[in-house]
Amino acid sequence: SQTIHQWPATLVQPVGSPLSLECTVEGTSNPNLYWYRQAAGRGLQLLFYSVGIGQISSEVPQNLSASRPQDRQFILSSKKLLLSDSGFYLCAWSTPGGTYGYTFGSGTRLTVV
Amino acid sequence: QKEVEQNSGPLSVPEGAIASLNCTYSDRGSQSFFWYRQYSGKSPELIMFIYSNGDKEDGRFTAQLNKASQYVSLLIRDSQPSDSATYLCAVASGGSYIPTFGRGTSLIVHP
Repeated sequence: SQTIHQWPATLVQPVGSPLSLECTVEGTSNPNLYWYRQAAGRGLQLLFYSVGIGQISSEVPQNLSASRPQDRQFILSSKKLLLSDSGFYLCAWSTPGGTYGYTFGSGTRLTVV
Repeated sequence: QKEVEQNSGPLSVPEGAIASLNCTYSDRGSQSFFWYRQYSGKSPELIMFIYSNGDKEDGRFTAQLNKASQYVSLLIRDSQPSDSATYLCAVASGGSYIPTFGRGTSLIVHP
């Protein structure tokens, strides 16, 4: 069966510090991978998605970047965090067609102080 | 711009009742419809998907789709306090694997 791992679960970082969140998927090949952010009281915001190694599409221009160095690994990064980067970050995967919806990771709650 | 609208709630129902959650969407080309459940502080979990007009049942959950009226609903029969969560509706257009999410409806099932 397929599983998705996301870490860390919680993170408190000072403004201006770097960020690296990692997500890995097991039990499937060539998944579509996604990074979402959910701010308090707001909906899910798609940040990046990837349909293959090295292929990254950005939905919202901002202080973040994403990379996919391996088929089942997706990394979200920032060189310098802003207060507005605080939120609940969710990694998700789907089959290439997205037919059966997403499976989300457990999420990382990031607080920038 | 594609929009997915949900009443934010909270929708409060007594234990054992039927909870009805509704979602409307703007894109007539939408073909895939999903319902996710999100407990407070947790990540969303897919509970149902539906592609064709009509009803789709899975245990206590029934998804209903009406493409002509552009709405999709989720019925939860015999509601339990453990069903208390936020329910997110997501809609994808034909050929797209990226759905548009609604903001969710908060459901409270009280004993």
